[in-house]
Amino acid sequence: AQSVTQLDSQVPVFEEAPVELRCNYSSSVSVYLFWYVQYPNQGLQLLLKYLSGSTLVKGINGFEAEFNKSQTSFHLRKPSVHISDTAEYFCAVSETGGGNKLTFGTGTQLKVEL
Amino acid sequence: DAGVIQSPRHEVTEMGQEVTLRCKPISGHDYLFWYRQTMMRGLELLIYFNNNVPIDDSGMPEDRFSAKMPNASFSTLKIQPSEPRDSAVYFCASTGPGQGNYGYTFGSGTRLTVV
Repeated sequence: AQSVTQLDSQVPVFEEAPVELRCNYSSSVSVYLFWYVQYPNQGLQLLLKYLSGSTLVKGINGFEAEFNKSQTSFHLRKPSVHISDTAEYFCAVSETGGGNKLTFGTGTQLKVEL
Repeated sequence: DAGVIQSPRHEVTEMGQEVTLRCKPISGHDYLFWYRQTMMRGLELLIYFNNNVPIDDSGMPEDRFSAKMPNASFSTLKIQPSEPRDSAVYFCASTGPGQGNYGYTFGSGTRLTVV
């Protein structure tokens, strides 16, 4: 069975600074990887996904993530954050042929400060 | 498309009462998922359906919880009787068609408070 680890529960960062949110996964088979964002009192919204091909994936709101198979990682990055990026970010994994079933990490709260 | 629609947005009920949460998935999506989110346990998958058939209900906490999907455009999650520890935000999500791993579309959630 697959699992996801988000080591950082909270990441404070100043506005316009770069940020990286870490995600590591575990699976015995090939996987698909996702990042979701949750703003306060809202549902989760898909930021980006890796299914195959280029290991660098670009998503909405200027975010990107890089799939590293050897390190079983899928870290999320943004070169310059904005106050509006303050939210909770979830990494998720599903196994190929796994029936679209996603396993989510515990989330990382990104807090952007002035 | 209006997205995944959940109702009600907020529900406050007394312990012992029956609670029914509702979900309308996106038209054409053939997978539907029910999640529960709490501070202590994060996002938990309760049950999911494919083509209206329950595929995995191993996350349903106990017999007090039941879920149905009578047709492709409607699903319910019922708690009877409700308990204070059921207080959480319940999300419905849908995806498809097929196993394309398009990513889920989530509803806005139902915040349940059992007093």
